[in-house]
Amino acid sequence: QVQLQQRGAGLLKPSETLSLTCDVFGESFSAYYWSWFRQTPGKGLEWIGETDHRGTAKYSPSLKSRLTISVDPAKNQFSLKLTSVTAADTAVYYCARTTTLVAANFWGQGTLVTVSS
Amino acid sequence: DIQMTQSPSTLAASVGDRVTISCRASQYSSSWVAWYQQKPGKAPTLLIYKASTLQSGVPSRFSGSGSGTEFSLTISSLQPEDFATYYCQQYNSYPWTFGQGTKVEIK
Repeated sequence: QVQLQQRGAGLLKPSETLSLTCDVFGESFSAYYWSWFRQTPGKGLEWIGETDHRGTAKYSPSLKSRLTISVDPAKNQFSLKLTSVTAADTAVYYCARTTTLVAANFWGQGTLVTVSS
Repeated sequence: DIQMTQSPSTLAASVGDRVTISCRASQYSSSWVAWYQQKPGKAPTLLIYKASTLQSGVPSRFSGSGSGTEFSLTISSLQPEDFATYYCQQYNSYPWTFGQGTKVEIK
């Protein structure tokens, strides 16, 4: 059974870089896409972006200028970096396994990231 | 971006009730719509994909229908563990987008 375990800092100051990593257990990394989502009370669930095992990434247009999603297949992990964060980036961030057939069928546990001075 | 509009935003129902949640896409989405259940403090869990295909392990009281721009999720007989928030999501085109959620509450 696939498991996704997230890690990363939960408290940031404005202008800092958000950095999260998702470790994937029990799954062939190359067979799927690997995605990031976030959730806020105000905007609800939001797709951030995805990568495949080769590092070919797709990004949300609204975040693209600040966003990097990278992958390390040898370590079975993928990562999210979002630069120049503001309070508007405060959210619960989720990693997930996705496919073009079933959307997101396995999710990480979620990480609350708070941006505050 | 495709906007997904769910209705109602909140729904009060009793155990055993039949419940239907609607989702309208602002653009054609074929059958590439998924439905998720989310409980407080937890990640969403996939219930339905490709509009009407039940995810493995999901009880058969959940069903989905629709195509194009109109979609719905039905719970045939509401159980105590079904009180939660439900989201639709289109994955026909990037960026993937979600509805605002429907909270199913106990009447």
